Amino acid sequence: DAGVTQSPTHLIKTRGQQVTLRCSPKSGHDTVSWYQQALGQGPQFIFQYYEEEERQRGNFPDRFSGHQFPNYSSELNVNALLLGDSALYLCASSFGQRNTEAFFGQGTRLTVV
Amino acid sequence: AQSVTQPDIHITVSEGASLELRCNYSYGATPYLFWYVQSPGQGLQLLLKYFSGDTLVQGIKGFEAEFKRSQSSFNLRKPSVHWSDAAEYFCAVGAPAGNKLTFGGGTRVLVKP
Repeated sequence: DAGVTQSPTHLIKTRGQQVTLRCSPKSGHDTVSWYQQALGQGPQFIFQYYEEEERQRGNFPDRFSGHQFPNYSSELNVNALLLGDSALYLCASSFGQRNTEAFFGQGTRLTVV
Repeated sequence: AQSVTQPDIHITVSEGASLELRCNYSYGATPYLFWYVQSPGQGLQLLLKYFSGDTLVQGIKGFEAEFKRSQSSFNLRKPSVHWSDAAEYFCAVGAPAGNKLTFGGGTRVLVKP
């Protein structure tokens, strides 16, 4: 079992650009949640996808958007990047939208310069 | 709104000594409670979780946590710390029927030889 896989592991982008991060959930999981973890802070919930729809959203602007594919994998898109978007982006997968056991990937480290 | 407070930002402990990390939560009913560990540059690994029942829960790597409803706390303990326990620890709360996890700011644990 490969667990939750995220790509790429590191990324450097310029202010104003757009970025796409990818996540493949653990085998048997159908729900993907995205979190942003700024340096020295705890993860902050961005949104969750289930059945290819955004089910819940945290306090993030519309520049953050996502998608879930029929195979349950997911993408996180961030437009018009700001320096403050620099963070570790974590993907978590679970089954049936339940919080009972979320498995996290290793994250994508995004640096905006 | 749910929230989590981890009062200790850093804790230094000698190898072989006991460890206790504090976590206080705010939630209207009995939440789901979690402890995760994060090694540098890594994702989050679930140590243990509490949903209901016995208020003392056992986790992986010799960790345990106790849920105290009267104090809104879910403190993590380990009787004897190993050098490999040096990491950042996050407490999280989630609604039983909810989608997201709310994390505390984390406690960084340093282990002295």
